[in-house]
Parts: sequence; structure tokens; C-alpha cells
Amino acid sequence: DAGVTQSPTHLIKTRGQQVTLRCSPKSGHDTVSWYQQALGQGPQFIFQYYEEEERQRGNFPDRFSGHQFPNYSSELNVNALLLGDSALYLCASSLAELSYEQYFGPGTRLTVT
Amino acid sequence: RKEVEQDPGPFNVPEGATVAFNCTYSNSASQSFFWYRQDCRKEPKLLMSVYSSGNEDGRFTAQLNRASQYISLLIRDSKLSDSATYLCVVNPNFNKFYFGSGTKLNVKP
Repeated sequence: DAGVTQSPTHLIKTRGQQVTLRCSPKSGHDTVSWYQQALGQGPQFIFQYYEEEERQRGNFPDRFSGHQFPNYSSELNVNALLLGDSALYLCASSLAELSYEQYFGPGTRLTVT
Repeated sequence: RKEVEQDPGPFNVPEGATVAFNCTYSNSASQSFFWYRQDCRKEPKLLMSVYSSGNEDGRFTAQLNRASQYISLLIRDSKLSDSATYLCVVNPNFNKFYFGSGTKLNVKP
């Protein structure tokens, strides 16, 4: 049973560029949430996708956008990268009716220079 | 004010010790509460849910105090393998989750 997978593992980008991160949920899961985790901090909720729509959003600017595909996989897009966007980006999947039971992927480490 | 606040630690304890962490939350309407564990450079993993009546899972006991808006995690008979960061999570509504900054635990031989 495949767990949550994310790609790429690491990424280095320059200020002002755009980035796309990818996530495949755990088999059988239909809901995907994205989090940003800065060094020494807890994960911060970015948004959640269910049935290909953004169902809930945290306090992140519109530069952060996402998408969910019919196979439940998801992408996180960040435009106009800032140095402060450097962080570990975590994807978590769950079942809609059990959304509290989240399974996290290993994350994508984004460095903005 | 932060949604969820935790003492960052680190808590340095010897094997076999009992250690407790607290976490406070600001939204009194919060519905669900959880503890996650995160090992160094790894993803968070659900440790246990926290119920109003309190719940126990082996050496781990979680408590919720709605009146004072805090949750706690008690670890008895600490093992070296318990060394990790413990994240308090609050669910103010069905689909949004707020994580604390985490409390680091170091269990020493």
C-alpha cells in the first residue's frame, strides 16, 4: 500500500520565479492538504482540496494556488517566489469523512535564493 | 495571538522518567484536538487524538481541558525512541488544522 508521495524532494529557485510541487495521496484517500513548515516551526496550513476544489484555505497570499486532479493527486503552485518562501512543503492526505486522520508525505524542501 | 502555543523545550529527561507537555489554544469553538510526533527531518505522524474524557494509549495519556483551553500529553517510562518533537494540533472547523510549533523531547540513557 503506497503512502503519500511528493516530488521533487529538493528544489532550488531564484526570487521571482514560479514553482510547482506535486503530491500523490495514499491509496484510497480523496482529500489533500498542503502545509508549509519553516525551520523550527510547526506546519502551517495552506489549503485543502476535495473533489477538485479548494475547500478551505489558511492565511496565505494568492501567490499560493493549487489544483487537484480526477485521480486525487494535487499540485501546489507558488508564484513570484520570495526568500521567505524557503521551507519544507508537506502534503497530507485523508478521507473526506475522516479528515482529521492525516497521513503526511516526506515533503519537498524548497530553497529560494 | 497564535492559534496554538506550545513550550518549545527542549525537555531533557532520563530513560524511565515521566514527562508532560501542555499546549494552549485560542479558539474556544475548536472541535478536535490531536498530538502528532515528528522525528528529525521526517514528516509528522499522528500519535493520538484527544478526547474530552481523556484517553490513554500504552505509555501515552492525553487530556483536554476545554474550560482552560489547553491539552496535555503525558509520557510515562520514557524510552530513547520517544525522542522527537511533539506537535499539538487543533481543528477549529472540519477542514482546517492549526499546528503548534512543537515541543522537543530528548530522552537520555
